[in-house]
Amino acid sequence: GAGVSQSPSNKVTEKGKDVELRCDPISGHTALYWYRQSLGQGLEFLIYFQGNSAPDKSGLPSDRFSAERTGGSVSTLTIQRTQQEDSAVYLCASSQLAGADTQYFGPGTRLTVL
Amino acid sequence: RKEVEQDPGPFNVPEGATVAFNCTYSNSASQSFFWYRQDCRKEPKLLMSVYSSGNEDGRFTAQLNRASQYISLLIRDSKLSDSATYLCVVKEGRRALTFGSGTRLQVQP
Repeated sequence: GAGVSQSPSNKVTEKGKDVELRCDPISGHTALYWYRQSLGQGLEFLIYFQGNSAPDKSGLPSDRFSAERTGGSVSTLTIQRTQQEDSAVYLCASSQLAGADTQYFGPGTRLTVL
Repeated sequence: RKEVEQDPGPFNVPEGATVAFNCTYSNSASQSFFWYRQDCRKEPKLLMSVYSSGNEDGRFTAQLNRASQYISLLIRDSKLSDSATYLCVVKEGRRALTFGSGTRLQVQP
């Protein structure tokens, strides 16, 4: 079946602009995660949606970052007033159950802030 | 201090060699442990889970030492296709995964 998909695959924006990144998880997966990976770094947790529960936002680096998950499926990560340090690959993952060990990653969105 | 520490490498080894990677984690409440593999400019993919008793999957062996908070991955008979970055990953309960920065392996012909 289809895996996790993300769009766009690449996004170049100017400092100060807002961007929206989209994630389509695997159908039926109840948990959805956003991570980001800066050049040469490991993955940094951002936010975690688990079914109908309140999301775990503990990894969001600032209030410029927010995310929604509509209808328990598609998620959108929004970064307002982008800064150059926001440049990274933003990865989405989903798992069948909340807290399940195996997470399936999408190909990521490479964000470049000029 | 990072929650999960790994030697970034690179480890340059000839085909057929045995290579070992280690990682340490700081959160003693961590309950699940994994090695993920990430190819250049690709997403991470689960390589194997790590169990307390140690576990093997073909040429790959993983070990966990909870007392020392130390995880290892051994690759025997290295192939060119093993060249990648290996990410040490831990999880506490139902929280999201915590990743190390990865160890880069380059297997040379």
